[in-house]
Amino acid sequence: KAGVTQTPRYLIKTRGQQVTLSCSPISGHRSVSWYQQTPGQGLQFLFEYFSETQRNKGNFPGRFSGRQFSNSRSEMNVSTLELGDSALYLCASSLVLATYNEQFFGPGTRLTVL
Amino acid sequence: DQQVKQNSPSLSVQEGRISILNCDYTNSMFDYFLWYKKYPAEGPTFLISISSIKDKNEDGRFTVFLNKSAKHLSLHIVPSQPGDSAVYFCAASEGDQGAQKLVFGQGTRLTINP
Repeated sequence: KAGVTQTPRYLIKTRGQQVTLSCSPISGHRSVSWYQQTPGQGLQFLFEYFSETQRNKGNFPGRFSGRQFSNSRSEMNVSTLELGDSALYLCASSLVLATYNEQFFGPGTRLTVL
Repeated sequence: DQQVKQNSPSLSVQEGRISILNCDYTNSMFDYFLWYKKYPAEGPTFLISISSIKDKNEDGRFTVFLNKSAKHLSLHIVPSQPGDSAVYFCAASEGDQGAQKLVFGQGTRLTINP
């Protein structure tokens, strides 16, 4: 079974630009969550999508947005990029059959903002 | 306010001995706890989890202990192997709706010495 895939793996943008990252969950997984990892803040939850609806949201500004498609694939978008947005962005998928399900992470997209 | 804390940034253990990684939390509403392992340039890999209704869960060489009164959990790895060298994150979630919204600690870098 294929794991979580994320594209692109690396991205370089300049301040003020916008970026879209993509995540394909494990087949059959309906929940997709996004996290930001930085050296200073660690791993922080951005948002979770389930059945094309945002179900949970972290404490990030409105410049960070996402969506989920009917095939469970998800995208996240960051507009008006700032230097502090440089980070590893991780996507995780979960089966969500029982109340508690472990999340399976993709390899991440390394975003550098210049 | 960091709700999940791993106070040891690094830990060095001799091969074959026991590795003990610790994690403290402040939110008494957390009811599910997980440990993840992360290698460089990869996403976190799920190791083991525990529900707040239990105080111990074992899976092979890995055992997680939960002390709810102290708001403390620990991961024991016995025996430690060189391949266990990685960064370990503990994570917690709250309730059914928040099950996919993981709050992570800052991580502990474990080094297993031959």
